[in-house]
Amino acid sequence: DQQVKQNSPSLSVQEGRISILNCDYTNSMFDYFLWYKKYPAEGPTFLISISSIKDKNEDGRFTVFLNKSAKHLSLHIVPSQPGDSAVYFCAASEADTSGSRLTFGEGTQLTVNP
Amino acid sequence: EPEVTQTPSHQVTQMGQEVILRCVPISNHLYFYWYRQILGQKVEFLVSFYNNEISEKSEIFDDQFSVERPDGSNFTLKIRSTKLEDSAMYFCASSEGAHFEAFFGQGTRLTVV
Repeated sequence: DQQVKQNSPSLSVQEGRISILNCDYTNSMFDYFLWYKKYPAEGPTFLISISSIKDKNEDGRFTVFLNKSAKHLSLHIVPSQPGDSAVYFCAASEADTSGSRLTFGEGTQLTVNP
Repeated sequence: EPEVTQTPSHQVTQMGQEVILRCVPISNHLYFYWYRQILGQKVEFLVSFYNNEISEKSEIFDDQFSVERPDGSNFTLKIRSTKLEDSAMYFCASSEGAHFEAFFGQGTRLTVV
C-alpha cells in the first residue's frame, strides 16, 4: 500500500536555509493533508494541514503547498533551525471515510546543521 | 496545553498473553484512534472510535483486537493473545472532528517475547 509516498528518506540543510520536504499521493479521494514531526521515542506532533480546496497554507516558518493535478505536496521550513531536526511525516485522509483515518508516508529524516 | 496521555510507556509481555494499552484523549475531542508503528515501518492506522462505537477499522484490526471507552475519559486497546509480530509502538490519538488534525500521545512500546 503506497498511497502516500515520501521518496527522500533523509534531508540535510544548513541552519538558516530553506528545508523542502516532498510527498506524493496516488489516491484521488484524499482531500485533507497534514504534516507531522516526530522525535525519537515520542508520538507524532501536528505541524500544519491543508484542505484540497486550497493550494497553500502558511503558519509562521512552515508553509505547505498542494498541487492537486500532480498529486504532490511539499512542506517548506524557512529559516531552518537545529531544533527542526526530526522525522517529518506526510499524512492524508479521505472525505468519505467515516472515521477520518490518516494514511502516512514513510517519513523523511531532516537534519539541520548549525 | 491539553495532550493525549498513554500508559504504560513500555510493556513487555509473553506471547499468547493479553495486554491492555490505555489512553486518555483530549477532553473535548470526539474521535479517538489507535495507530501502530512497527520498527522501521510506516505509522499504520488500526481503528477509529466515535460515539461509543468503532467508526472504521483497518485490515490489521482483526478479532484479537478490541477497543473500549470504559468511562468518560479512558480509551483502551486490548490485544487478546499477543503474537511476536504485535511488537510495535502503539499510538493513541484524538481529534475534535472527522476532518480535524489528530493529536497523538507519546506512545506505548509493546514488546512481545
